[in-house]
Amino acid sequence: AQSVSQHNHHVILSEAASLELGCNYSYGGTVNLFWYVQYPGQHLQLLLKYFSGDPLVKGIKGFEAEFIKSKFSFNLRKPSVQWSDTAEYFCAVTPSGGYQKVTFGTGTKLQVIP
Amino acid sequence: DAGVIQSPRHEVTEMGQEVTLRCKPISGHDYLFWYRQTMMRGLELLIYFNNNVPIDDSGMPEDRFSAKMPNASFSTLKIQPSEPRDSAVYFCASSLALTSGGGNEQFFGPGTRLTVL
Repeated sequence: AQSVSQHNHHVILSEAASLELGCNYSYGGTVNLFWYVQYPGQHLQLLLKYFSGDPLVKGIKGFEAEFIKSKFSFNLRKPSVQWSDTAEYFCAVTPSGGYQKVTFGTGTKLQVIP
Repeated sequence: DAGVIQSPRHEVTEMGQEVTLRCKPISGHDYLFWYRQTMMRGLELLIYFNNNVPIDDSGMPEDRFSAKMPNASFSTLKIQPSEPRDSAVYFCASSLALTSGGGNEQFFGPGTRLTVL
């Protein structure tokens, strides 16, 4: 079975700082990878996803993530955060090929200080 | 499409009472998922359905929890009897199958915040 690790549980940044949130997964085959965001009091929304092709994936609101297969990683980045990026971020993985069970990481709470 | 619809948005009940949470997935989606989110345990998958059939219910905490999907547009999650430790936000999500070309991105509903006193 697959698993996902998010090592940063709580990150505090000032506005305009750069962001990188770590995500590592464990699975022996090909995978689909996702980052979801949950703003305070809201439901999860998809930020970006990787299925195949270019390992550098660009998502909404200036976020991007890079899939490094050799490191089993899919880190989320943003060059300059805003106060409105304060949210919880979840990395998720599912095996490719029709199996639908998605495994979510434990989440990283990002607090951006104005 | 209105997205995934859940009701009620908030539920406060007393220990021992039966609670029923409802979900309407996005039309045409093949998969439906029920999750529970708490501060202590994060986001947990409880059960998921494919074409109305339960596929994996290994995340259901115990026999007090049950879920049904009588048709493609409706699912329920029932807790009977409810206990204070069931207090959480319960999310429903739906997705297309991979073969449809839509990928398996999950679309989440707004959640039901359950408080059991």
